Order: sequence, then C-alpha cells, then structure tokens
Amino acid sequence: DADVTQTPRNRITKTGKRIMLECSQTKGHDRMYWYRQDPGLGLRLIYYSFDVKDINKGEISDGYSVSRQAQAKFSLSLESAIPNQTALYFCATSTSGTGLETQYFGPGTRLLVL
Amino acid sequence: AQKVTQAQTEISVVEKEDVTLDCVYETRDTTYYLFWYKQPPSGELVFLIRRNSFDEQNEISGRYSWNFQKSTSSFNFTITASQVVDSAVYFCALSEAYTGNQFYFGTGTSLTVIP
Repeated sequence: DADVTQTPRNRITKTGKRIMLECSQTKGHDRMYWYRQDPGLGLRLIYYSFDVKDINKGEISDGYSVSRQAQAKFSLSLESAIPNQTALYFCATSTSGTGLETQYFGPGTRLLVL
Repeated sequence: AQKVTQAQTEISVVEKEDVTLDCVYETRDTTYYLFWYKQPPSGELVFLIRRNSFDEQNEISGRYSWNFQKSTSSFNFTITASQVVDSAVYFCALSEAYTGNQFYFGTGTSLTVIP
C-alpha cells in the first residue's frame, strides 16, 4: 500500500462549490504539506503543518483552508471553487528534525473547476 | 526572485544519448539541501536524490549522476545512455534551514527520449 494517499484522485466541480481534498499517510511523519502544480509554474506551497496544532500559510494560501485532523490526516478545502483553481494538487510529508528533511509526495489529485 | 531556476523548459534526445538537466539555485543560507524529483507521465512525484550544502561530492547511481558546485550555485543532473523510460518532467528543489523545510521548486524540465 502507498505511504501517502490522496482522495479523490480526480474531481470535477462547478464554480462556487465547496470541495475537500484529503490526504492520509502511514509514514508516521509529523509534517504535512499541500502544493498545487500548474503547467510551467512548478509546484507552489499552499499550506503546511508541522504538527496537529501547528498550521502555516504557504506562498498561495488565498482561497484555501486546511484541517489537520490527526497526525496522519491533512485536508485541503476550497471554500468556493473558481476556475483558476484548476490544477494538480499534491500532498507531501516529511519527518521533523533538522528542518531539511526529504518530502515524500502522494499521487496527486487532478481538480477541474468549471 | 526565483530561488530555483531550471532554464531548460523542454529537451528532446534520441535514445542512448547522454543528457544534462541544469539547475541553478539562489540562497543566502549556509545550510540547505538540494533535491531532484522525477514526474513521469502518470503524474506522481518520485524522489531521486538529496544533497546537503556541506557535501559537494558528486553522486552516481547507475545511469544517473549529479554534479553539485557551490561556486556556481548549480546542481546539475546527467542521465547517461538515456532510455524511453526516462521521459518525464524533472524538478529541482531547494530547502533552506532558515525557512524551516519549505521547499522551493524549479519550474521543471520536460525530457522526451525518442526511440
């Protein structure tokens, strides 16, 4: 079984709808991250969490919110989806420690906002 | 300013050719890590290598090799005798101690290996 899973893998929604993307991990890592990938822009950090009570905004947090329900679960919500949120979304995890740990990525969620 | 620059947007090579993917980074931190990830057509991100700022020794793993040069702020990736399965988008990333493990990704290089 995969160490980092994301659900759903694909999602089509309409403008204005609220949706949630979920991430679960079995790696036992403390830190979790949400990124979005757009063609030609690489990956950009949306939110990150160093533990259940520590959540931080990343580079592009506007229009998104997150919830760290447990060490193993980190959800990303789009409160009112808009077309320019169409992207590939990745969850990642890493251990805590020196602060320079490798991040391991889930398989991604393809989101299309109509 | 972009912290990680991958100037090559797309590269095409014929199978068995060698190819080098360039990565230039920018940081004022003395403690940092550099990474390469592979994203095949299926979309997942696969971790390839991590190199810390205190270790400039080059790394070789099979057909893959990495050249880290602090003097030029570069961490280039070479694939020797390329194969069709190497076709993917490759991302270089930087993690700085100062920013607490926030990754900065380059925009990626799309490599196509033509049979």
